[in-house]
Amino acid sequence: DVKVTQSSRYLVKRTGEKVFLECVQDMDHENMFWYRQDPGLGLRLIYFSYDVKMKEKGDIPEGYSVSREKKERFSLILESASTNQTSMYLCASSLGTPGTDTQYFGPGTRLTVL
Amino acid sequence: GNSVTQMEGPVTLSEEAFLTINCTYTATGYPSLFWYVQYPGEGLQLLLKATKADDKGSNKGFEATYRKETTSFHLEKGSVQVSDSAVYFCALHTGGFKTIFGAGTRLFVKA
Repeated sequence: DVKVTQSSRYLVKRTGEKVFLECVQDMDHENMFWYRQDPGLGLRLIYFSYDVKMKEKGDIPEGYSVSREKKERFSLILESASTNQTSMYLCASSLGTPGTDTQYFGPGTRLTVL
Repeated sequence: GNSVTQMEGPVTLSEEAFLTINCTYTATGYPSLFWYVQYPGEGLQLLLKATKADDKGSNKGFEATYRKETTSFHLEKGSVQVSDSAVYFCALHTGGFKTIFGAGTRLFVKA
């Protein structure tokens, strides 16, 4: 079974802090994704990566950056957390593109910025 | 642009009731369509998909038919169980790496 794990289930940070969200997948998938999930808005793509050290902006990249130094690990970075970044963050991975191959999701990290 | 609209929830049903969750889409080209389910405390998992018009996706008693003429992909189940309580997301993919998700519909099933 594919497993996507995220470093924390719940995280509380203060405004201005630098925040790291970590995601690890164990199936040698090429592609990894970071989404945020907000009530009434569904999932919105923040960044994705199609190879090690390669990254592309999604629909809402402002205020975020990412790092993919190893194939299995994809990190989301909030350089200076703000209250409007309070949300549920979901990581996903897929072997091929989402239209052809299933995306597998982690359990999510609920981030609260005070 | 591409978009997905699904019925607002929550939807509350009694066990063994018939379920329909409506989903309509706007897309250029010929998208693939998906339903994902998110059980409490978990990430999303693919429930079913359809890649071309008139295809029917099915899994775990759930079904959805890709209707190009009405741009719809409604989710149905004949007899829901308490364990079906979850949030359901309709989604589309038109190419590349981006999937467009609907807002989600929460389903509560009472025993």
